[in-house]
Amino acid sequence: DIQLTQSPSFLSASVGDRVTITCRASQGISTFLAWYQQKPGKAPKPLIYAASTLQSGVPSKFSGGGSGTEFTLTISSLQPEDFATYYCQQVNNYPFTFGPGTKVDIK
Amino acid sequence: EVQLVQSGAEVKKPGESLKISCKGSGYSFSTYWIGWVRQMPGKGLEWMGIIYPGDSDTRYSPSFQGQVTMSADKSINTAYLQWSSLKASDTAMYYCARHKQYLGRPPGHGDYWGQGTLVTVSS
Repeated sequence: DIQLTQSPSFLSASVGDRVTITCRASQGISTFLAWYQQKPGKAPKPLIYAASTLQSGVPSKFSGGGSGTEFTLTISSLQPEDFATYYCQQVNNYPFTFGPGTKVDIK
Repeated sequence: EVQLVQSGAEVKKPGESLKISCKGSGYSFSTYWIGWVRQMPGKGLEWMGIIYPGDSDTRYSPSFQGQVTMSADKSINTAYLQWSSLKASDTAMYYCARHKQYLGRPPGHGDYWGQGTLVTVSS
């Protein structure tokens, strides 16, 4: 199975900050990586797929990059509604796997 | 409008059986995969497996193989996740998600998600 790690696990930031989350895969997955946002009590919401393609309706403050084994999710200017947990997922090989999540909290 | 609507919360006893559902609408149900994801209380997302309603092709995560059964009835646009004998450790929120079909490679990411079904197993 492909293992995904995320760093940091927890991120404390202020409104207006630029934040970057990293996801690393245990083997190359080309660009078959997605990012999701999850708020408490809600279903995950897709943000980015194919490593860098913005899901329809997602604001452009979110951006993704990377290929192979290292990927990033960047939020250009953190807003109150962005405080949530973010997960990466690889869809290159079965079983699809998720990273452990990064919780973004208010400083 | 694409929607996935899941069945309601369940409270069961250990050893009981259970089948939860995920009904798709607003798209061609048979031509997209439906994946299932578990989220235990306070924990992260775990991918359980995926089924293609068009021909019931199913792929399970090794962690869930033999523990659950996925099925689909394309005539009523509904996918199912079932247990034959629940354990307390099955207590979790379960999500279904739609995944786009690609020829010659695994499906894409989950682009639409159900609202989740909370399963509580307690004696």
